[in-house]
Formats: sequence, C-alpha cells, structure tokens
Amino acid sequence: QVQLQESGPGLVKPSETLSLTCTVSGDSVSRSAYHWSWIRQPPGKGLEWIGYIHNSGSTNSNPSLKSRVTISVDTSNHQFSLKLSSVTAADTAIYYCAGGIWDWYLELWGRGTLVTVSS
Amino acid sequence: DVVMTQTPLSSPVTLGQPASISCRSSQSLVHSDGYTYLSWLQQRPGQPPRLLIYQISNRLSGVPDRFSGSGAGTDFTLKISRVEAEDVGIYYCMQATQFPRTFGQGTRVDIK
Repeated sequence: QVQLQESGPGLVKPSETLSLTCTVSGDSVSRSAYHWSWIRQPPGKGLEWIGYIHNSGSTNSNPSLKSRVTISVDTSNHQFSLKLSSVTAADTAIYYCAGGIWDWYLELWGRGTLVTVSS
Repeated sequence: DVVMTQTPLSSPVTLGQPASISCRSSQSLVHSDGYTYLSWLQQRPGQPPRLLIYQISNRLSGVPDRFSGSGAGTDFTLKISRVEAEDVGIYYCMQATQFPRTFGQGTRVDIK
C-alpha cells in the first residue's frame, strides 16, 4: 500500500521560503506514469491547487502563485518537494501532497502538514 | 480560471435519506479529447480529501455505490442515495479540463 507523508517546518517567517518534502513509501516515486501534486487548504477554508510534477520532470503550477513555486522530484530518495518563496500570512495553510497516474487522478494523499507564516 | 460553484453550501440530512450536491462550472468542462474532467472529493473532519468520483461518474475502487455522479457540460451533480453517519464531511468538485485545476467552495453534509 502506497503512503505519502509530508515533512518540513511548521513555522516560516514572512519573506522567507517555505520548503516541504513528500516521502512516498510502499512504492517507488520513480514509477514512470505517476504525477505528484501539491494542494493547500487555509485553515477552515477550501482547497487550492498548487501544481504537480511528473516523473519525466514536466511540471505545471498555478499562475496565481506566479513564479514563487518550484516543484521537484528526487526518485533516488522516493521524495518530491515544494518550495514557495517570498511567503506572506496568506500562505498559511495545511499543505497536502497527493499523487496518481494522472495529475487529476488524486487517489493518494498525505495527511497534510500545517505551515504558519509568522514572525 | 474556471470557476466552480457549488450549491448548497450546507446540507443537513436525515440518516437514510438522500442528499444531492450541485456543481456548476463557468465554462464547459468537455476537453478537446472528448472527456470531461470533473471529479468529486470527500473530506471527513480532520482528514485529508479523498477522491470519490472522476470523469463525472466513475467511482474509485472501494467507494460505496450509494455515491453517484452525473451531469454534462457545465452542470454536475453528486448524489448520496442513503446518507450514513460516515458520510459527514465536506464535498468538493474539481475540474481538471483546464489549468489551473480549480475546486468548488465545498458543501458541508451533516446529520440533522
């Protein structure tokens, strides 16, 4: 059974870079057809799609986040990562990693990790 | 961006009774490949979302058959034929026909 687990700092200062990693266990992140996504949810609010990366290295991200988002994959360590630069309080959210054979086929989810942006 | 609008935002339901959630998109969700990429996700309290239905009406393995999806173009519906206690949570529609992927605001289903 494939499991996803997010990890990273729970507190980030304004203007700094948020960095999260999602570790895939039970299967290899190098499975060629998989897409790995990041989705966030401000406390008490709805879901926002951040972006995805395919194992081929192709990515797509939400233009609302402009050029602040970087998503990468490390197949050797069975992980994929999110970096969000120049964060503000508006980036405070639960961040979920997710995956599936297509980027929209979000069959696998991590439990989520709360990231608070505050000085 | 494609705007997804769900109604109602809250749906109190009696156990064993049906529930229905509507999702409307600001543009047609029919992709150039002929498929319609409309999914439904369930988020139980304190848990991550869970994909229930994709491409309008296809249930994931393990999803009870009391959940069904229907619709076309810009109008879609999720129905729960007989609500059970474990169905309490927030339901989201999501479109994946265009980038960026977008979600509806969510519909809270709880028990009367």
